[in-house]
Amino acid sequence: DAMVIQNPRYQVTQFGKPVTLSCSQTLNHNVMYWYQQKSSQAPKLLFHYYDKDFNNEADTPDNFQSRRPNTSFCFLDIRSPGLGDAAMYLCATSSGKSYEQYFGPGTRLTVT
Amino acid sequence: GEDVEQSLFLSVREGDSSVINCTYTDSSSTYLYWYKQEPGAGLQLLTYIFSNMDMKQDQRLTVLLNKKDKHLSLRIADTQTGDSAIYFCAEFTGGGNKLTFGTGTQLKVEL
Repeated sequence: DAMVIQNPRYQVTQFGKPVTLSCSQTLNHNVMYWYQQKSSQAPKLLFHYYDKDFNNEADTPDNFQSRRPNTSFCFLDIRSPGLGDAAMYLCATSSGKSYEQYFGPGTRLTVT
Repeated sequence: GEDVEQSLFLSVREGDSSVINCTYTDSSSTYLYWYKQEPGAGLQLLTYIFSNMDMKQDQRLTVLLNKKDKHLSLRIADTQTGDSAIYFCAEFTGGGNKLTFGTGTQLKVEL
């Protein structure tokens, strides 16, 4: 089945230690998104790629970066995680011709 | 501006109908969505409605859109325990290719 896959599902990192979260998709969608969702809050868009074009949200901290080496994969890099970065990170995809976004299961990040 | 609001909690009995409400402020929204999130899981797209429609029905789900009042609702008929989850409404605004989510409504279905 076509889907959005996120690895790992649970990630523990230490304060200040760089961490990378991974997202892959078999839907062949050209748009990929990263959202941050803190406990009991709505998902908040960090950035998205439209094909190779990177679009950062104005209030996304510089600590958060992203890479998209090809259509199928997108990575979220947190350069120096703080305690406030503990959250669920959701990857989503959409076709540029459609307004439906499909979400992966998320990676829950814990910062110790 | 973009601001999407929902009530935080809703409790219903199994078999009753549930109605989850949402208000939004961006009149340029083109699509409005309902997503379901179960504990520890990602978001599942339930249904969506284009802004030029006022109703959409899909099996047990009915979406009503009042564009004048910027009010969106999701009715779940014959609510089951498996419907217990958090429901997010979201609006899509063409500029920025972006979804803005509401605060989420936790639906609890009691036996």
